[in-house]
Order: sequence, then C-alpha cells, then structure tokens
Amino acid sequence: EPEVTQTPSHQVTQMGQEVILRCVPISNHLYFYWYRQILGQKVEFLVSFYNNEISEKSEIFDDQFSVERPDGSNFTLKIRSTKLEDSAMYFCAQGTSNYGYTFGSGTRLTVV
Amino acid sequence: GQQLNQSPQSMFIQEGEDVSMNCTSSSIFNTWLWYKQDPGEGPVLLIALYKAGELTSNGRLTAQFGITRKDSFLNISASIPSDVGIYFCAGQKNNAGNMLTFGGGTRLMVKP
Repeated sequence: EPEVTQTPSHQVTQMGQEVILRCVPISNHLYFYWYRQILGQKVEFLVSFYNNEISEKSEIFDDQFSVERPDGSNFTLKIRSTKLEDSAMYFCAQGTSNYGYTFGSGTRLTVV
Repeated sequence: GQQLNQSPQSMFIQEGEDVSMNCTSSSIFNTWLWYKQDPGEGPVLLIALYKAGELTSNGRLTAQFGITRKDSFLNISASIPSDVGIYFCAGQKNNAGNMLTFGGGTRLMVKP
C-alpha cells in the first residue's frame, strides 16, 4: 500500500535556526495536513492545505510556521526560528476520513 | 479548544483477555476514527465510523459510534502481544478543514 514518506526521520537543530520538514504524499489526494506530537502527549493538528492554500490552522500554527508545495508534489513545513518547545514528532497526513486519512512515519525534531 | 476525553490512560492485561477503551466529547463529531501508534511511528488507521450508532468490526477489533455522536468505544478481543501500543480516538467535523481532534491515547501493554 502506498505510503506517505517524510524526510528526514530525525533532525537536530540549534534554537533560533530554521528547519524545513518534507513530505512526499500519495498522489491523487487533494488534502494535506501537518500534525505534531510532543513526546508522551496526544497528536495535535497544525494546518490543513487544500488546492495549494491553507484551509484551516490551529493556534499552534503561528507566524513562525509556513507550508508550501514548492514543486507540486512535495509538501513542506518550515519553522523559521525554532524554539526549545518546538521539539516534537511532526507528522504529515493526507486524504480525508472517507478516503483513507493516512499519516507518515514522522520527523522527530529536536531543538537544542 | 475541543477536547476528546479518552480512557483508560493505560491498561496492562494478560494475553487472551478482551480490552475496551472509549472516548467522550462535549461536542458532536461527524466521523470517529481509531488509530494505533507504535513507538517512533505515525498513527495507523484501524477503524473509521461515519454514522451515529454504527458498529464496525475489523478482525478482532470492534468499534461503535455513539448515538449522540459524542462518544465512541473500541474493543479488542483475545489480545495478543502485538496489540501492544498506543490507541488514539480521533474525531472530525466536516466543516473544519478536515482537521482531526485526537484523544489523549490509551497505552496498552499485553503480558504473554
């Protein structure tokens, strides 16, 4: 079964640095999402992206965050100036509840 | 924000036992999803529920969408060691950018 692929699997960055997390979605889906999961906690919604625009975003998704589909296939999450509290697993997801809401295996971001 | 209350937080059971976990919410959801998460991995969809009162099975798993659309339960029958993991409920409202609201998770441990 096709997978949602995320790179890198683990990223360590210094506080204040910019990071870009990448996702290669399954083709033929229109809805894309980013979620995060702080260690030991529940999965939290960040942003949904439809037709190359942000459809919905949470309070967590502030001005430090941005999303793009730069080449029409890859889907990226950028954090401009990382903070210690940005350390978490970041999951890309794709689809809708009627068509297989599928999550990637995640990128573990560690901010030091 | 919206809250999904999931219980129990953790369970430690003997192999072969049945397991039950549930989620409740103060607001209505149109879709309920149940996911399993293994360490270091993304959530994997187990069962999706679309109609109030719906009862759906997937192998040894059975889940029901509550009549009020504010709750759902997941049962696992005859547990085996590979059932170990964290189980999350997630609710979706169709008018919210397809975002999922996750419960806090139930950590299941199975003793062989």
